[in-house]
Amino acid sequence: AQSVSQHNHHVILSEAASLELGCNYSYGGTVNLFWYVQYPGQHLQLLLKYFSGDPLVKGIKGFEAEFIKSKFSFNLRKPSVQWSDTAEYFCAVGSSNTGKLIFGQGTTLQVKP
Amino acid sequence: EAGVAQSPRYKIIEKRQSVAFWCNPISGHATLYWYQQILGQGPKLLIQFQNNGVVDDSQLPKDRFSAERLKGVDSTLKIQPAKLEDSAVYLCASSLARGTTEAFFGQGTRLTVV
Repeated sequence: AQSVSQHNHHVILSEAASLELGCNYSYGGTVNLFWYVQYPGQHLQLLLKYFSGDPLVKGIKGFEAEFIKSKFSFNLRKPSVQWSDTAEYFCAVGSSNTGKLIFGQGTTLQVKP
Repeated sequence: EAGVAQSPRYKIIEKRQSVAFWCNPISGHATLYWYQQILGQGPKLLIQFQNNGVVDDSQLPKDRFSAERLKGVDSTLKIQPAKLEDSAVYLCASSLARGTTEAFFGQGTRLTVV
């Protein structure tokens, strides 16, 4: 069965702390991998994506993620979080054929100033 | 570039009533998706259109949900009759093409069924 699992449901950090959000997926076939972010009151927007090539991808606002094929993982990282990073983060797997996205359940990140 | 537009933003209805949501995708985007996001969960695909044809509606509860995309642009999603468990945010997304392009999401419609 196709699924995405995010390790943490709710994370609380202080400003300047490092962040790592875990994501594992189960999917047959070629996949594209995404992290989406939803800031309070705003729509889902793309943080970063992996289609092929360098497994370490960089996104907006200093975020990066590493695709480890052998572990079926796509973990999100940021070396130093800011209060403005408070949001909900979703990992998603996309079909390279149809574009259909399968989302994880989301991780709520709260950054304390 | 204008984003994906959805209306209404909020809707409260009683169970067994009907409701419709509207979506206008980004201009030129051939692929349109409707997702359902229940509180505390990630979005789940209901239906995908490629132009005005359905690509995937395997997760759409067809006894009560229907969707159309006339002329391959705007789309409407209807629920009739609504159940309490339909309370969710309904997200519309569009992408330039299938597969290897990014999907852009609208603000969503928050539906509460009482």
